[in-house]
Amino acid sequence: ETGVTQTPRHLVMGMTNKKSLKCEQHLGHNAMYWYKQSAKKPLELMFVYNFKEQTENNSVPSRFSPECPNSSHLFLHLHTLQPEDSALYLCASSPSGTVNTEAFFGQGTRLTVV
Amino acid sequence: GENVEQHPSTLSVQEGDSAVIKCTYSDSASNYFPWYKQELGKRPQLIIDIRSNVGEKKDQRIAVTLNKTAKHFSLHITETQPEDSAVYFCAAKGLVDNFNKFYFGSGTKLNVKP
Repeated sequence: ETGVTQTPRHLVMGMTNKKSLKCEQHLGHNAMYWYKQSAKKPLELMFVYNFKEQTENNSVPSRFSPECPNSSHLFLHLHTLQPEDSALYLCASSPSGTVNTEAFFGQGTRLTVV
Repeated sequence: GENVEQHPSTLSVQEGDSAVIKCTYSDSASNYFPWYKQELGKRPQLIIDIRSNVGEKKDQRIAVTLNKTAKHFSLHITETQPEDSAVYFCAAKGLVDNFNKFYFGSGTKLNVKP
């Protein structure tokens, strides 16, 4: 375990549903990330939060809505998704600041949109 | 922003042979370069990293080299074993404005044949 926990591990949702992905870390990190991993594609950075402030929104459609209530928790709210949004969604965290350290990943949520 | 390119996308080697994966990056401000291994159905995990003030780093059968002038870095795995089969991602992390963003390569699927 890396200390980053994601729930649920698997999620199947219809295009009209609303669901949320949750990420939690108790590593004392202040930077948290959402990545999308599709088949045959690189890890796509979606959002970055630094000290609870969103510092990156990588041209993500508005049907994805992040929320970071505190430095330990990160959510990704989903609504009216499309089948092409089916992917593995990975959360990661790292220490903030200029310290060069790795990002720790959660197990991911396997999302299927039907 | 940073652009990380990774080659090859797939690599098949015989057990005991060496494997080399190469990455290039575009932002000269990037100063931290981790490599992640992702086994099927699992999260990416750090296997080795290198900082910009170092040209080479080795950890048992794994080594990474960095050429800052040319902006490329490579992963070398010697005496490959079947358990090395996985997808490997390189990443670059920038300093200054984007110190808390990891940009990943597209991944290399390594298959080690027994």
